[in-house]
Amino acid sequence: NAGVTQTPKFQVLKTGQSMTLQCAQDMNHEYMSWYRQDPGMGLRLIHYSVGAGITDQGEVPNGYNVSRSTTEDFPLRLLSAAPSQTSVYFCASSYRRTYEQYFGPGTRLTVT
Amino acid sequence: QQPVQSPQAVILREGEDAVINCSSSKALYSVHWYRQKHGEAPVFLMILLKGGEQKGHEKISASFNEKKQQSSLYLTASQLSYSGTYFCGTLSGNTPLVFGKGTRLSVIA
Repeated sequence: NAGVTQTPKFQVLKTGQSMTLQCAQDMNHEYMSWYRQDPGMGLRLIHYSVGAGITDQGEVPNGYNVSRSTTEDFPLRLLSAAPSQTSVYFCASSYRRTYEQYFGPGTRLTVT
Repeated sequence: QQPVQSPQAVILREGEDAVINCSSSKALYSVHWYRQKHGEAPVFLMILLKGGEQKGHEKISASFNEKKQQSSLYLTASQLSYSGTYFCGTLSGNTPLVFGKGTRLSVIA
């Protein structure tokens, strides 16, 4: 049981490049979410999903896309990277929206 | 809307107690508490449900005042291992979990 896994751990992008941050969980959780963490800002919700095929926007969705084709996977796509997207990104999953969340190890992204 | 946490930071000596507060302007269904150590992912501590009892986890406990939409996290006889950033997350209606900005706790010998 690997829990929540994220790849890559570190990534450096140039402005304008696109990429996908991968997130997978093996706990059969319905609810998955993406957060970004910046100094002094806490954990801010980017997008979330309550089940396969269903996604919705969080607090800071601009510049990011998500899809949920399977229960296990919830990738986050940066369409055209900007320096303002430099951050640590965490994926989390839970059985339902109201249950405790399990976080992946995070991806540290730098956009130059 | 993010819940408001206070204080922003606190420094304790081993064995001292601390209280971290979390408040919201919305009617809450539940409050979650997580701890994040430096360079690591947040880890779940406990959930306080509307109408539920005060929760406890070793020497860490929490309460939920439904009338004031406030929760408090109590750390008793702090240990070096309690150091980290504590986040509260709040749920109201059908909205997703929203986290506060965190409280940085440093325990020194």
